[in-house]
Amino acid sequence: SQTIHQWPATLVQPVGSPLSLECTVEGTSNPNLYWYRQAAGRGLQLLFYSVGIGQISSEVPQNLSASRPQDRQFILSSKKLLLSDSGFYLCAWSPRNTIYFGEGSWLTVV
Amino acid sequence: QQQVKQSPQSLIVQKGGISIINCAYENTAFDYFPWYQQFPGKGPALLIAIRPDVSEKKEGRFTISFNKSAKQFSLHIMDSQPGDSATYFCAASRNQAGTALIFGKGTTLSVSS
Repeated sequence: SQTIHQWPATLVQPVGSPLSLECTVEGTSNPNLYWYRQAAGRGLQLLFYSVGIGQISSEVPQNLSASRPQDRQFILSSKKLLLSDSGFYLCAWSPRNTIYFGEGSWLTVV
Repeated sequence: QQQVKQSPQSLIVQKGGISIINCAYENTAFDYFPWYQQFPGKGPALLIAIRPDVSEKKEGRFTISFNKSAKQFSLHIMDSQPGDSATYFCAASRNQAGTALIFGKGTTLSVSS
């Protein structure tokens, strides 16, 4: 069966520091991969999605970037975090339409 | 045209009652409509989904009703239980590889005992 792993689960970072969140999927090949952000008490905002290695689509202009160095690995990064980057970040994968989410990473920028 | 509008934002239901959450969409190309359930601190999990070739789908106490002409779909939770207290998201997408789901803003359901 397929599983998705996302880490770290929580982190507190100072303003201006870099960020790296990593996500891997097991048990499938060539999945669509996504990064979503959920601000406290709010909906799910699609940040990036990828249909293959090195293929990244950005949905909103922002302080973040994404990379897909391997088929089942998706990384969310920032060179300099802003206070507004705080939130709950969710990695997800899909074989076609249905999206399966990871457990999420809580980021607090202080 | 890409939006999915969800209501209400929050909902309080007595134990044993019926919870109803509604969603509306504009893009007639959408043909896949899932609902997700999210507990605090966890990622959303797929609850139930429907395609527009049927008007209703039922799984246990959860039912999706779909009205293609009105471009609306709803989630009904029968015999609501305190364990159903969570945030529910509707979503929509086209049945096309690489197309991302468009989510509603969510409904926070509280079932009082």
